[in-house]
This record gives sequence, structure tokens and C-alpha cells, in this order.
Amino acid sequence: DAKTTQPPSMDCAEGRAANLPCNHSTISGNEYVYWYRQIHSQGPQYIIHGLKNNETNEMASLIITEDRKSSTLILPHATLRDTAVYYCIVRSNTGGFKTIFGAGTRLFVKA
Amino acid sequence: GAGVSQSPSNKVTEKGKDVELRCDPISGHTALYWYRQSLGQGLEFLIYFQGNSAPDKSGLPSDRFSAERTGGSVSTLTIQRTQQEDSAVYLCASSSQGLSGYTFGSGTRLTVV
Repeated sequence: DAKTTQPPSMDCAEGRAANLPCNHSTISGNEYVYWYRQIHSQGPQYIIHGLKNNETNEMASLIITEDRKSSTLILPHATLRDTAVYYCIVRSNTGGFKTIFGAGTRLFVKA
Repeated sequence: GAGVSQSPSNKVTEKGKDVELRCDPISGHTALYWYRQSLGQGLEFLIYFQGNSAPDKSGLPSDRFSAERTGGSVSTLTIQRTQQEDSAVYLCASSSQGLSGYTFGSGTRLTVV
């Protein structure tokens, strides 16, 4: 699976949009982009995934660039409870299903 | 239940003892994964199962670690002759076929003293 690069940490004001970037320049055609988050002392939580089209669900939006080499997770109105480590992963849905989690981005939402 | 269940939630064991960690995946999920997370660190992949078979055991850190899955459901991760460096949170996740994301359990916090 391709590797991803994320900033180690980011700050966001409560009520504002949080835009978390991810670089995956070596992504291949059959790899999807997945986002998870891990709130302190809990297991990771699935947020959203996509292949090449932008996706939106009740938690977030995922914007993937046309060349698919990078993506942005958007939390439209961040709350204090969104403070967590956010992991961006690329994963192929053919063959093996091993998913490697990197260090992620630690998002601090401040009042 | 609706989620992935792990037991025990906490385990304190003496160095050299064997421990068994249990994972009950979501019913119908064919894939099951074990990760561990040391304090302040990221997730380290250990092993995954597709049904009862484990096509990828590359993440197991040593031959003291083993895992099995029976009936395509419950999985047990066994650590023999525990060492202090085995202290970590052991996380289990499951997923259905295809594109679905993983659902993680709350983990087992293992402390080797």
C-alpha cells in the first residue's frame, strides 16, 4: 500500500472548519483513501473513504485532487470533541487487506 | 452486540506469564485485524484474518506471539512468556468484504510487571 504524509499537528478554533491535508503521491489506481480518527484512550473510528470523487457524510467531507496525489479531510464546524489524532491511509481492496497506520495529525480544537 | 468486543479491558500480568486476549468481531464480518499501540505511539499492525486463515502474519513481533480465529468469528491473541516491552494497548478491528472501513474495539490494556 502507498504511504501517506501528514502534518504532525494542527490547531483549529471551535466552530470553524478544520482542513486536514494528506499527501499520497505514490497512490496507485486501485487504492482508496481512508480517514480514521482516534480520540484519547479509545480505539480508532472510521470517518470516510473515497477513490477519486469527493465524498461527504454526516461526519466530514473528503476532497481528493484530480491527480489523486493528495486529499483533504474537512470537518465543517469543529467542536472540542473533535480533538483527536486523524489518520489518512491508502488501501487497496484487492489482494491483502493489511492497513498500515502512520503517525497521523494531532488536531487540537480550541475554545 | 453491535460493536467489536474485546476482553479483558485491562490485564496486569507478571513477566514470564502467558496471556490470552480475546476479540469478538461484529457478526458477519469476515476480516479481523490485530494491532498494538504503545503509549504515545501509533498503531502497529500485528496480523489479519480472512475467515479463519491468516494470510499475513508478518507483523507478529516474535514467536512468542500467536493468534487464531475459530468459526470465522472469535479470535484469540496469545502472548507467551510476556516481557515488559509487550506492555501496550492491543486493538482488534473487523470489517466486511469490499470497501467498508474497519470497526475497532476499545482495546485491551496489557501491563507486564
